[in-house]
Amino acid sequence: EIVLTQSPATLSLSPGARATLSCRASQSINNYLAWYQQKPGQPPRLLIYDASNRATGIPARFSGSGSGTDFTLTISSLEPEDFAVYYCQQRDNWPLTFGGGTKVEIK
Amino acid sequence: EVQLLESGGGLVQPGGSLRLSCEASGFIFSNYAMSWVRQVPGKGLEWVSSISASASAIDYADSVKGRITISRDNSKNTLYLQMNSLRVEDTAVYHCAQDVTDYHTYYFGYWGQGTLVTVSS
Repeated sequence: EIVLTQSPATLSLSPGARATLSCRASQSINNYLAWYQQKPGQPPRLLIYDASNRATGIPARFSGSGSGTDFTLTISSLEPEDFAVYYCQQRDNWPLTFGGGTKVEIK
Repeated sequence: EVQLLESGGGLVQPGGSLRLSCEASGFIFSNYAMSWVRQVPGKGLEWVSSISASASAIDYADSVKGRITISRDNSKNTLYLQMNSLRVEDTAVYHCAQDVTDYHTYYFGYWGQGTLVTVSS
């Protein structure tokens, strides 16, 4: 099973700041990684798939990069609605697995 | 507009059974792989099972293998999850999720709100 390790667990930032979230895989997953955003009481929303492709309707301030084992989600300038929990997910190998999440909170 | 509406959750005793349903609308259901993902309230996401568009390919998490069966009825636009021999650790909100594209990426483009399954005596 591929283990995805997200860091940091919590990121405390101010609106307008740049957020950099990391997801590391226990073995190479090529570029088969997605990022999701989840707000309280809501299901997750797909942001990025195949490491760097924005899903439909996702603002350009969200970008993804990386391949192999190290991946990054960058939010270029945090908007108030971006404070949430973010998960990565790999689909390179079964079973599909998620990272433990990074909470982006208001500083 | 894509809509996924889960139902069938509830309180069940350990060892019991439940059948979850996910009624889909707003897209051509028979073209898309579908999945179940669960989440213990306040905790992270755990993939449970996926089924291809034609139901020819199915996969399960090891934690549920042998106890849970995924299926679909493309004539009814409905996804199912038959859950048997339930354990306390199966307690979670169960979301159904649609593949982001119609070529089986197994990324989850749309999610339902979920149905809560509570396993307790």
